[in-house]
Amino acid sequence: GQQVMQIPQYQHVQEGEDFTTYCNSSTTLSNIQWYKQRPGGHPVFLIQLVKSGEVKKQKRLTFQFGEAKKNSSLHITATQTTDVGTYFCAVGVNSGYSTLTFGKGTMLLVSP
Amino acid sequence: GAGVSQSPSNKVTEKGKDVELRCDPISGHTALYWYRQSLGQGLEFLIYFQGNSAPDKSGLPSDRFSAERTGGSVSTLTIQRTQQEDSAVYLCASSLAQGNSPLHFGNGTRLTVT
Repeated sequence: GQQVMQIPQYQHVQEGEDFTTYCNSSTTLSNIQWYKQRPGGHPVFLIQLVKSGEVKKQKRLTFQFGEAKKNSSLHITATQTTDVGTYFCAVGVNSGYSTLTFGKGTMLLVSP
Repeated sequence: GAGVSQSPSNKVTEKGKDVELRCDPISGHTALYWYRQSLGQGLEFLIYFQGNSAPDKSGLPSDRFSAERTGGSVSTLTIQRTQQEDSAVYLCASSLAQGNSPLHFGNGTRLTVT
């Protein structure tokens, strides 16, 4: 099945520092989605990227899809304690239906 | 509006017993997914429904696991002869069947097999 590598597995930052998580695939992707899961909660959809080189911003969050559509990144500028959680990428291979394969996630801890 | 509803929220069962987990998707969502998440781990795909049919059940770990969906709505995931390694949070998600639409997750059922 589809394999996706997400790094790092874990990151602990001080409030105000930046944070980046990366998602890498060995195959070309149709699209990639990002989810956030707060401790004790369920994954919540953040954004979907479909175009090569696409960049989308949501306040302090910047999402990027690689030119080859094999990798993606999520960057948080000036982290806040509310950013704590695990960030998952989920990849699809076909433009029609395909099972979304989730990465193992990056757990972010933010110290005040 | 109502989100994805799962029941029970917690289930403790003895090894060897059967359990049934229920998912009520968002109204109008034709696609329904079951995932499993072990403590501190990622999401493991189990099965996907489009309407009442399951075009992808490649993630079911063994023949002890089965799922059905009726009326294009409610889905049940059944685990027979539960084992301790089945302990996990079972998450259900639904989406509009328009390509790879965003998934809307329920709060999950935490299953503990003793």
